[in-house]
Amino acid sequence: DQQVKQNSPSLSVQEGRISILNCDYTNSMFDYFLWYKKYPAEGPTFLISISSIKDKNEDGRFTVFLNKSAKHLSLHIVPSQPGDSAVYFCAASFSGTYKYIFGTGTRLKVLA
Amino acid sequence: DVKVTQSSRYLVKRTGEKVFLECVQDMDHENMFWYRQDPGLGLRLIYFSYDVKMKEKGDIPEGYSVSREKKERFSLILESASTNQTSMYLCASSRISGGPEAFFGQGTRLTVV
Repeated sequence: DQQVKQNSPSLSVQEGRISILNCDYTNSMFDYFLWYKKYPAEGPTFLISISSIKDKNEDGRFTVFLNKSAKHLSLHIVPSQPGDSAVYFCAASFSGTYKYIFGTGTRLKVLA
Repeated sequence: DVKVTQSSRYLVKRTGEKVFLECVQDMDHENMFWYRQDPGLGLRLIYFSYDVKMKEKGDIPEGYSVSREKKERFSLILESASTNQTSMYLCASSRISGGPEAFFGQGTRLTVV
């Protein structure tokens, strides 16, 4: 049973426009949600996180929104840049434990 | 900056060989993890460790074992490599308290032939 789902395997966006990556989860007990970015042949890089007690967190061009009632989170990138082209993973974890549960990833392509 | 270093970027091994993947972190993190990444399956947790000599199975531990003799080092062992263990292996570390994020190494692309 996949507890964290990214239903869109790929997304293409024009440079300068907004990229919206989506993630759904099934367990309402998750305490933290995180987004990672991964280039080919490299390890994932942490981007941004959000606690379950918040509904928005912003860091520069990246904003994560959490809708607990819908069990849905999204990552907004504004404006999108060609260097943002990568695979984006969302992940969820419980506080007090050490496990991160990852989605299957969304490949973002930003077109120049 | 946190640094998580994996001993090899690329590795080719034969079926049946015993394979060691090494990971070292320099930030005194308590937690360390081994994941594998496969297309369409995302990152799946193999094993994790929350202290020296402590380990717990993740979601796909079969065919793997781990060793953590020192806080900074976490080794993944493939007891008898098989072709279905061809994958990208990722090591990560994190703190017990503070921010929730884990920091990843650069990955090891293992091919078993």
